[in-house]
Amino acid sequence: AQSVTQLGSHVSVSEGALVLLRCNYSSSVPPYLFWYVQYPNQGLQLLLKYTSAATLVKGINGFEAEFKKSETSFHLTKPSAHMSDAAEYFCAVTTGHKFYFGSGTKLNVKP
Amino acid sequence: DSGVTQTPKHLITATGQRVTLRCSPRSGDLSVYWYQQSLDQGLQFLIQYYNGEERAKGNILERFSAQQFPDLHSELNLSSLELGDSALYFCASSPAGLAGGPNEQFFGPGTRLTVL
Repeated sequence: AQSVTQLGSHVSVSEGALVLLRCNYSSSVPPYLFWYVQYPNQGLQLLLKYTSAATLVKGINGFEAEFKKSETSFHLTKPSAHMSDAAEYFCAVTTGHKFYFGSGTKLNVKP
Repeated sequence: DSGVTQTPKHLITATGQRVTLRCSPRSGDLSVYWYQQSLDQGLQFLIQYYNGEERAKGNILERFSAQQFPDLHSELNLSSLELGDSALYFCASSPAGLAGGPNEQFFGPGTRLTVL
């Protein structure tokens, strides 16, 4: 079975600061991992995905994530936060049909 | 715009009633997923269909059912509604088949269900 844990339901950073959103997964087989972003009153949009190619994955809007098998982690980072990054971020894992989503992290960006 | 459409956008109904939510996947996508998002439960996977057949089941109540039609659109039926069923219901589609591994899901804008 797979599962996802997102540490920190709320993260607050200043504009221009580093964004780090944590995701740890549990999977008995090599997983496929995803990060999604949800803006208020909208559906989820894919930021990036890991599918066993390069361990450092670059996504849209300057985000990237690194797959670390030894740490079972797939943390999302962005070097410099922008006000428009304020949203809720979800990490997800799958090895086949079912997708398991984390509980989400709300990112607040302070001016 | 993800290419996934959901209707209606909002639905207000009373306890005990039955509603149907509709989803049209992206052109060419064979898989449809349904999710429930509520404040206390987060994003919960309900059910997946692939090319008309049920493929995976999550935390779907017995009062809920779904189907995928030959034209690949899908409907989620919620019956004997309770106050706790108030939530955002998302549909997602994916071109995933078994070959090449899972692909990402494309989410619709959701249907907000309010049960009074």
